[in-house]
Amino acid sequence: GESVGLHLPTLSVQEGDNSIINCAYSNSASDYFIWYKQESGKGPQFIIDIRSNMDKRQGQRVTVLLNKTVKHLSLQIAATQPGDSAVYFCAEMGVIQGAQKLVFGQGTRLTINP
Amino acid sequence: KAGVTQTPRYLIKTRGQQVTLSCSPISGHRSVSWYQQTPGQGLQFLFEYFSETQRNKGNFPGRFSGRQFSNSRSEMNVSTLELGDSALYLCASSSNQETQYFGPGTRLLVL
Repeated sequence: GESVGLHLPTLSVQEGDNSIINCAYSNSASDYFIWYKQESGKGPQFIIDIRSNMDKRQGQRVTVLLNKTVKHLSLQIAATQPGDSAVYFCAEMGVIQGAQKLVFGQGTRLTINP
Repeated sequence: KAGVTQTPRYLIKTRGQQVTLSCSPISGHRSVSWYQQTPGQGLQFLFEYFSETQRNKGNFPGRFSGRQFSNSRSEMNVSTLELGDSALYLCASSSNQETQYFGPGTRLLVL
């Protein structure tokens, strides 16, 4: 397959703290990146996206940072709430076998401690 | 706008059977992609349809097939089911081949 999901990293944070979820992507030619949130029993939900001509983009309580030099993407969630508990996936839009496809990272499970 | 809908939500089949899953995209979206999600392999791309034509294809065997209708609704079919086909099958729609919006998925259990 084109995505890896063998070992799901877990991040535990205290409610109210900021969370930082990291992602390393593989294709230096990828020019579009998305973060998704997947809650138990649901499909992935779009959170925020960023294009390769930017290095930072802010949404409501979330910020995405892109470092193209080291092919690294991060999602920052401010003032983490219990409802933020989920698995977070980064995805890159890249050309694979001559076709443009969305390739997902392995995901990170975020758990919130009360 | 209504989101992506998938039917059925849950399905139990036995080995050797075939199954058809349905996806209705967000109104106005012409691209529909299908993914298989399992704990071991994560999210894997199956195929994408646009204007009733398969535009992209992942690395799945020919038992996995799909189609798209003129109203952009899509179906995927898996024939000769195997135990390893048990998974959450996700459909995503897009208007621009970039941002994809996912449905709730169909959870398939093969016994």
